[in-house]
Amino acid sequence: GAVVSQHPSWVICKSGTSVKIECRSLDFQATTMFWYRQFPKQSLMLMATSNEGSKATYEQGVEKDKFLINHASLTLSTLTVTSAHPEDSSFYICSVSSSYNSPLHFGNGTRLTVT
Amino acid sequence: RKEVEQDPGPFNVPEGATVAFNCTYSNSASQSFFWYRQDCRKEPKLLMSVYSSGNEDGRFTAQLNRASQYISLLIRDSKLSDSATYLCAKGGGADGLTFGKGTHLIIQP
Repeated sequence: GAVVSQHPSWVICKSGTSVKIECRSLDFQATTMFWYRQFPKQSLMLMATSNEGSKATYEQGVEKDKFLINHASLTLSTLTVTSAHPEDSSFYICSVSSSYNSPLHFGNGTRLTVT
Repeated sequence: RKEVEQDPGPFNVPEGATVAFNCTYSNSASQSFFWYRQDCRKEPKLLMSVYSSGNEDGRFTAQLNRASQYISLLIRDSKLSDSATYLCAKGGGADGLTFGKGTHLIIQP
């Protein structure tokens, strides 16, 4: 069964609005969750590392004020794309790992289209 | 140099054939390597971990060559359902994984 649940699967929104994406770890408690983004025909790029109870760690070039991450519990992390623009249209995927050096398990992803 | 590099393909292979592709990496401090499969417009799914001694799972064999800094994936008796993009990844732990762009494989009937 699924290890990670991500919602919504897809969303279409107007430019300037904000979109919240939820990621839930179903099988284990996750102190760390990872948020990736994938543009068409590109590789998965790590955006940020979500840490339960503390601030997220953002990769270089990712605006922390635009991509708000909240990791309020050991099973839930949210990513909010604020004031979305068409260039934010992408495939956003969260992932969790059960332990150090274990592979990542991915949510089903959220396809965001900003019009 | 990118940390993980793959030939994007596409590789067009007849059904039943054996196909292999490599993935090169830099920053050899990484201890863990993985192959993922990604279908069109879907999330990546773990195919197999890659161990130094090599490992096999059914028709799939993965190898790690630390001296030359590459990992490989071999698929025997390929099926139509093997058509997908195969992503290699390195890393793990608190830093997450670094992915290659993926190799697009098309199995033809």
